[in-house]
Amino acid sequence: QQQVRQSSQSLTVWEGETAILNCSYENSAFDYFPWYQQFPGEGPALLIAIRSVSDKKEDGRFTIFFNKREKNLSLHIKDSQPGDSATYFCAASAGGNYKPTFGKGTSLVVHP
Amino acid sequence: EAAVTQSPRNKVTVTGGNVTLSCRQTNSHNYMYWYRQDTGHGLRLIHYSYGAGNLQIGDVPDGYKATRTTQEDFFLLLELASPSQTSLYFCASSEVNNQAPLFGEGTRLSVL
Repeated sequence: QQQVRQSSQSLTVWEGETAILNCSYENSAFDYFPWYQQFPGEGPALLIAIRSVSDKKEDGRFTIFFNKREKNLSLHIKDSQPGDSATYFCAASAGGNYKPTFGKGTSLVVHP
Repeated sequence: EAAVTQSPRNKVTVTGGNVTLSCRQTNSHNYMYWYRQDTGHGLRLIHYSYGAGNLQIGDVPDGYKATRTTQEDFFLLLELASPSQTSLYFCASSEVNNQAPLFGEGTRLSVL
């Protein structure tokens, strides 16, 4: 049973467009949702994160929109650049015994 | 600067071989994790620990042992390596389990 699901395995956009990466989860106990960015040959790096008490988190060109009732969230990358081409992982965790759980990732390609 | 260091970065072994992957974090983090990354599967948790001497089972533990000898050091052991364990392995650490883990650079393991 996949607890964190990323709806697209891959996404292609043109430079300057807004890329939207979607994620959903099953366990309502999850309350912390980090997004990671991974370039080939490197480890995943934390990009931006949101806690379930918020419905939006913004950091420069990156914004998370969170819908607790629907148990989904999305990462918006505004004014996409070719350097944003990478794999993006949605993750979820909670306090107590819950382990950080990752989605399968979305490979984003931004064409110049 | 927070860091998670993995060694070796690349390893080739034969079926039935004995392999130890090492991880050291200098962040004074309590939690340490071992993940494997495979195309189409994303990041899957093998084992994790919340302190020296502690070990918790992850989601894909079969064929793997782990040991946390100190606050800083976490080892992953493959005692009878199989080709299905060919993968990219990541170690990560976090202060608490409800915080985004910080990842190392990865170890690429090939089992022939």
